[in-house]
Amino acid sequence: EPEVTQTPSHQVTQMGQEVILRCVPISNHLYFYWYRQILGQKVEFLVSFYNNEISEKSEIFDDQFSVERPDGSNFTLKIRSTKLEDSAMYFCASSDYLGQGEAVGYGYTFGSGTRLTVV
Amino acid sequence: AQTVTQSQPEMSVQEAETVTLSCTYDTSESDYYLFWYKQPPSRQMILVIRQEAYKQQNATENRFSVNFQKAAKSFSLKISDSQLGDAAMYFCAYRSARGNEKLTFGTGTRLTIIP
Repeated sequence: EPEVTQTPSHQVTQMGQEVILRCVPISNHLYFYWYRQILGQKVEFLVSFYNNEISEKSEIFDDQFSVERPDGSNFTLKIRSTKLEDSAMYFCASSDYLGQGEAVGYGYTFGSGTRLTVV
Repeated sequence: AQTVTQSQPEMSVQEAETVTLSCTYDTSESDYYLFWYKQPPSRQMILVIRQEAYKQQNATENRFSVNFQKAAKSFSLKISDSQLGDAAMYFCAYRSARGNEKLTFGTGTRLTIIP
């Protein structure tokens, strides 16, 4: 079964450092997402990406964050200057077209996440 | 904006028994999708079951079924014959049917299975 792959599984970084979280979405998917889950809390939407541009972003996704699809397979989330409160689990997800009616696609597939710890 | 509410932070059930997890949501849209995700200690997000709002028939996947009440905006998950491997956090999620929109999650219910 196709998978969304995230690397690394765990990253520790010092406050103020830049981090890049990497994701390889499912190859025929067109829509890409990043979500964040602070420990013990709910999963929150960060950003969606389609056709090489951001289609929606949340208020969490401020100027410290950026996304990129540099080579047609990877999808990255960069945090420019990490803060302690950025410590969380970051999930990448991808989706094919989720249309309507009986032809509806299966939708989202999540990666297994990157645990980011900022110290 | 859509909201998803899970009012049971924790639930427990005896192994082999049945348990129901509650979820309500608020939306002004008529067409949308609802999901239940399972998050075991590994913290991976695993899709359990989904429901299309335009379908009146409740979705079923093996031991998992939903009770979808569109007018009441309620979407509960029933787990039959509970197994130790069902122990996890369960998140209810909403997604608009307009395009490929984001998922909005509830706060989750931690399910414990008692041997």
